[in-house]
Amino acid sequence: DQQVKQNSPSLSVQEGRISILNCDYTNSMFDYFLWYKKYPAEGPTFLISISSIKDKNEDGRFTVFLNKSAKHLSLHIVPSQPGDSAVYFCAASDSGGGSNYKLTFGKGTLLTVNP
Amino acid sequence: EPEVTQTPSHQVTQMGQEVILRCVPISNHLYFYWYRQILGQKVEFLVSFYNNEISEKSEIFDDQFSVERPDGSNFTLKIRSTKLEDSAMYFCASRPKSGGGGPQYFGPGTRLLVL
Repeated sequence: DQQVKQNSPSLSVQEGRISILNCDYTNSMFDYFLWYKKYPAEGPTFLISISSIKDKNEDGRFTVFLNKSAKHLSLHIVPSQPGDSAVYFCAASDSGGGSNYKLTFGKGTLLTVNP
Repeated sequence: EPEVTQTPSHQVTQMGQEVILRCVPISNHLYFYWYRQILGQKVEFLVSFYNNEISEKSEIFDDQFSVERPDGSNFTLKIRSTKLEDSAMYFCASRPKSGGGGPQYFGPGTRLLVL
């Protein structure tokens, strides 16, 4: 049951360039989307989120784009820094009544930023 | 900055033994969650807890699992009789009450190994 898919297991970019991480979803009830960053032996750290009423949300170097018709979202990191090297998880929730906003995660993409 | 804490960081147990994983959510948060991540797999939702009761649970959360908020600060996950397949990272998360979603904040996790 892959309601949230991250089809690229890994991505490697040069420091200073743009990193683009992609995520697709199949459940049309999802209306809130999040990106988490995870280092080994740590818990997921919240990065940025977007509600389905928007198509873009920006926070510093991080921008999330949502294309509802394509059921696709992406995370852009500009400029990429070596400290950004981590696993990035896309997650989604359904804010409809009774769902309690449980998160459904993708498998993650390992981003490596090379100096 | 407030954070979710979890103890222990590592737990090794024999199959059939009971384990209790502990979490201290962020103090003004009202929704609490447990997730797990089996090695190499996705982060999976186990259970959500609100207003001193389970609000939703996944099919993974069978009769061997229970959660409790014994006082105003701790949130525990108990596995009554552990199985080999319970070996995983267990993450606690919490979220403040807000309309329409909002990020969940995760603890560092407990690595459970069942032998």
